[in-house]
Amino acid sequence: AQRVTQPEKLLSVFKGAPVELKCNYSYSGSPELFWYVQYSRQRLQLLLRHISRESIKGFTADLNKGETSFHLKKPFAQEEDSAMYYCALSAWYSSASKIIFGSGTRLSIRP
Amino acid sequence: NAGVTQTPKFQVLKTGQSMTLQCAQDMNHNSMYWYRQDPGMGLRLIYYSASEGTTDKGEVPNGYNVSRLNKREFSLRLESAAPSQTSVYFCASSEAHGGVNTEAFFGQGTRLTVV
Repeated sequence: AQRVTQPEKLLSVFKGAPVELKCNYSYSGSPELFWYVQYSRQRLQLLLRHISRESIKGFTADLNKGETSFHLKKPFAQEEDSAMYYCALSAWYSSASKIIFGSGTRLSIRP
Repeated sequence: NAGVTQTPKFQVLKTGQSMTLQCAQDMNHNSMYWYRQDPGMGLRLIYYSASEGTTDKGEVPNGYNVSRLNKREFSLRLESAAPSQTSVYFCASSEAHGGVNTEAFFGQGTRLTVV
């Protein structure tokens, strides 16, 4: 069965400190992984996806198939990074795809 | 630039009442999803639809039914609401084909309270 695990419910760091939000997945096929973010009073939106291998708002995430992980990192946290972050996996069944989310990590940046 | 539109935004139901949450997308996406968001549990998939005319159960389908009316619309029905269904419901859509799933776009959510 497909599963996405985010072990931390809440992560609180000081502004300027490095951030790492953990994500592990379980999936028998070739994984397609995403990070979504939900800022206060806004819709859930895509932050980045592993296929793109890009850095968005200073965040990066590397897929590690050996450790089945897709941790989200940023070297220097900003106050505007405070939000709810969700790791997600796109799982394929025949020709249909479903997107499974983890339980989320609330990131709080202290001034 | 409507994207994904959900109605209503808020709803209070009494236990046993029924209601339908509506969702429409204008991006011509083939896949649509319904999730519920509960504190500490993240987003859990209720049902999804890979294309018009097809629907499949997600992680927590009990107590819900769905209809993919056409390519644009995907509704979620609670036949007999229970307090355990108090939650925030999100509809989403994406383009998924050839083993690749694009970005999912989300509605603004429906906050449902069952008393």
